[in-house]
Amino acid sequence: HLQLQESGPGLVKPSETLSLTCTVSGVSITSSSYYWGWIRQPPGKGLEWIGSIYYSGSTYYNPSLKSRVTISGDTSKNQFSLELASVAAADTAVYYCARLFCDGANCYSYYYYYMDVWGNGTTVTVSS
Amino acid sequence: QSVLTQPPSVSGAPGQRVTISCAGGSSNIGAGHHVHWYQQLPGTAPKLLIFDNINRPSGVPDRFSGSKSDTSASLAITGLQAEDEGDYYCQSYDTSLGGSRVFGGGTKLTVV
Repeated sequence: HLQLQESGPGLVKPSETLSLTCTVSGVSITSSSYYWGWIRQPPGKGLEWIGSIYYSGSTYYNPSLKSRVTISGDTSKNQFSLELASVAAADTAVYYCARLFCDGANCYSYYYYYMDVWGNGTTVTVSS
Repeated sequence: QSVLTQPPSVSGAPGQRVTISCAGGSSNIGAGHHVHWYQQLPGTAPKLLIFDNINRPSGVPDRFSGSKSDTSASLAITGLQAEDEGDYYCQSYDTSLGGSRVFGGGTKLTVV
């Protein structure tokens, strides 16, 4: 049974680095069939794409966050992680990890992958 | 300001049909990128509802359907039920400014 579980500090100080981990169970993150991604949702607002990683280590980031974001994978623990540097109050949000999948003839391109399984999310507050 | 534009809210009575629109442009939906829809019930994580414009994942009732035309897409819900109340998001890929997945601002569905 596939499950994704986010973990990490719930409180981060302004200007510090936010670090979260997504632990995946039920499928290997080294599978070439999937990408693994992060999405966030500020309180009372909509969803924002952060970025993703492929089993090869290739990463893809939202251009608006690219200068501050690093996504990495730990195959020995079947986990992938998010680091967001120089955080501010605007980075306060629920952070979700998700599996990206593609079903069909278009799966040769990263564009066509969608989030088919989500974690429950973890709340991160940026405050001193 | 979201790249994809959705109405902030829609409402309907039980049993009725509602539609939620998702307006994009030439660098996303109009460029041929697929539209996916997610349902977020109160206090829960988003759940995939429609993928590749029109397809339902296993377990999603056929009361939910998606369509796409030119630079926009729509989600239709028939036979509205109280448990459908929540937020709905469209998502696509945008090739401008370096390329990224993009979401609509979300639509709150109220079953009155």
